Amino acid sequence: SQQGEEDPQALSIQEGENATMNCSYKTSINNLQWYRQNSGRGLVHLILIRSNEREKHSGRLRVTLDTSKKSSSLLITASRAADTASYFCATVDNAGNMLTFGGGTRLMVKP
Amino acid sequence: GEEVAQTPKHLVRGEGQKAKLYCAPIKGHSYVFWYQQVLKNEFKFLISFQNENVFDETGMPKERFSAKCLPNSPCSLEIQATKLEDSAVYFCASSQSGNLWGYTFGSGTRLTVV
Repeated sequence: SQQGEEDPQALSIQEGENATMNCSYKTSINNLQWYRQNSGRGLVHLILIRSNEREKHSGRLRVTLDTSKKSSSLLITASRAADTASYFCATVDNAGNMLTFGGGTRLMVKP
Repeated sequence: GEEVAQTPKHLVRGEGQKAKLYCAPIKGHSYVFWYQQVLKNEFKFLISFQNENVFDETGMPKERFSAKCLPNSPCSLEIQATKLEDSAVYFCASSQSGNLWGYTFGSGTRLTVV
C-alpha cells in the first residue's frame, strides 16, 4: 500500500506561475524525499528533508515538512515548461525501512 | 560510473517465458534497490541489497521472482514463467548509505508480457 499520497493528482499551470504539490503519509518517518520523473525516464532525486527539519530550499524548490500533520509540500517557483513531469514523494520510516512512494502529481507547465 | 545502468531498455516476453533484467549500480554505492512501476504511477518496492546480501525482500513475490547481486557482476532480477500482470517498468536504484540518503535511479527496463 502507498505510504505517501500526493495531492493534486494532476496540475496544469502557465509558465512563470508557482506550482504547489502536497504529500501526506501515515507512519512516523526518518526522512521524506521528493523525486521527479520525466516521461519514459527514471526518477531524479530532488530534495531530502529529515524529520527534525521543517523547511528546505534548493534553487527554485522549497520543501516543507509538518510531522504533526504528517504532510509535506513541494513548491516550484517561477515554473518553466521544462518542469513538466511527474513528482513523487517518498518516505523512509523510523526503522530506516525502504523508501515508499506515493502515487505522484503530474505537473504540466504550459509555455 | 556515475549513473545506474539498466539493461535491456525494452524486453518482450511471451506468457510463461523467463525474463532477466540487469542493473549496474554506481561504483561505490553499496545498496541496490528494485522497484516495479505499473501504469506510470505506483512504485512497488521489490527487494534491496547491501553489497551481495539481501537487505530487505518484503516486496518480493516469492514464487516467480528472484534477484542477485554478486561481486564484480551486474545485479539481476529474474522472473520465471512471466504473467501478463508482470508487464511494467522495472527500476533499479543505488545508494551510498541505504535509505538515509537519496537514491540514484536508472532509466528502467520496460517489460511487456504478451
